[in-house]
Amino acid sequence: RKEVEQDPGPFNVPEGATVAFNCTYSNSASQSFFWYRQDCRKEPKLLMSVYSSGNEDGRFTAQLNRASQYISLLIRDSKLSDSATYLCVVVLTGGFKTIFGAGTRLFVKA
Amino acid sequence: GAGVSQSPSNKVTEKGKDVELRCDPISGHTALYWYRQSLGQGLEFLIYFQGNSAPDKSGLPSDRFSAERTGGSVSTLTIQRTQQEDSAVYLCASQRGGQETQYFGPGTRLLVL
Repeated sequence: RKEVEQDPGPFNVPEGATVAFNCTYSNSASQSFFWYRQDCRKEPKLLMSVYSSGNEDGRFTAQLNRASQYISLLIRDSKLSDSATYLCVVVLTGGFKTIFGAGTRLFVKA
Repeated sequence: GAGVSQSPSNKVTEKGKDVELRCDPISGHTALYWYRQSLGQGLEFLIYFQGNSAPDKSGLPSDRFSAERTGGSVSTLTIQRTQQEDSAVYLCASQRGGQETQYFGPGTRLLVL
């Protein structure tokens, strides 16, 4: 079993749609959680951090459920420019061992 | 300011040869990571450097892989006796002390024939 699991997709949605990505992690010694975005043949870039209290940044909302070891990302009013792969990321206790999920691909179509 | 840079951007080599990949982190960033990303896969943690402390090598897949970080700045990842399964994108990231964000370089695409 992978330490961080994501639905690989792809998710194909029209502009304006709301789309939700899920992620589960298996290591209970996980202290920090993030969503990164990776465009085709580009390096990953931080999208947002994830907290138990929830984190919202414009059209993006991230949520963490520690009890269920579950992380989510919600994108509202999808734009063409949101097309990318979204990577769920967990940092283990100790602060450096970083585990990336394989990513969920999103295609937003006009 | 300048971001993380990596060289070469692409490398084609023959099976059995050694390769060196270079990473220049953002100035002032004390932490440096190496990852490997195979086609269609997520990033695989390889090694972590923090300041002058001994690196965490727990992610290195075999003893053919090694990395150094000189003077707490530039890092070199060396793969000896390359194998075809070593073909991947090798990504470097740096991080400021006390911060959570990792800043990635553009990667080195390695192809072992």
